[in-house]
Amino acid sequence: DIQMTQSPSSLSASIGDRVTITCRTSQSISNYLNWYQQKPGKAPKLLIYAVSSLQSGVPSRFSGSGSGTEFTLTISSLQVEDSATYYCQQSDSSPWTFGQGTKVEIK
Amino acid sequence: QVQLQESGPGLVKPSQTLSLTCTVSGGSISSGTYYWSWIRQPAGKGLEWIGLIYTSGTTNYNPSLKSRVTISVDTSKNQFSLKLSSVTAADTAVYYCAREGVTMIVSWGQGTLVTVSS
Repeated sequence: DIQMTQSPSSLSASIGDRVTITCRTSQSISNYLNWYQQKPGKAPKLLIYAVSSLQSGVPSRFSGSGSGTEFTLTISSLQVEDSATYYCQQSDSSPWTFGQGTKVEIK
Repeated sequence: QVQLQESGPGLVKPSQTLSLTCTVSGGSISSGTYYWSWIRQPAGKGLEWIGLIYTSGTTNYNPSLKSRVTISVDTSKNQFSLKLSSVTAADTAVYYCAREGVTMIVSWGQGTLVTVSS
């Protein structure tokens, strides 16, 4: 299985801050890297697919980049509603696997 | 807009079989190039992909669960189902059904908590 390691595990930032979450994979993958946002008690929601494509309806302050074994999710200007846990996921090789999550809190 | 809803017992005894059904509404389960999957999340923990099925009946299971998992589809009812046998407390989790596109999970059900306990 491809192991996914996210960093940091949690972070606290202020409104308007630029936030970056990193996802590293145990082996090089193609562009089948996705990002999800999960709020407490809710199902995850697709934010970014194929490394950098923004899912319809997702604010443009979210962006993704990366290649090979290192990928990033960036929130350009953190908003209150962005308080959530973020997961990366690979669909390059079965079984699909997820990162352990990064919890983003607002200072 | 396609919506998914899980249903099934919230409490299962150890060694028994967990059975859940996902009902798809707002569209046909047979339309488009989608796969229908199950994912679970123990309380306070991360996400584990269980497996998927295509409407042709083709399945793909996580090897870690493969010996205990069966995913099936009933296109006439617009539903797909999960069976997980020989459950233990470690199988206690919120179970999500989901719709996958070619490379990403595009829609999720709200999730249903299944507790394994005697």
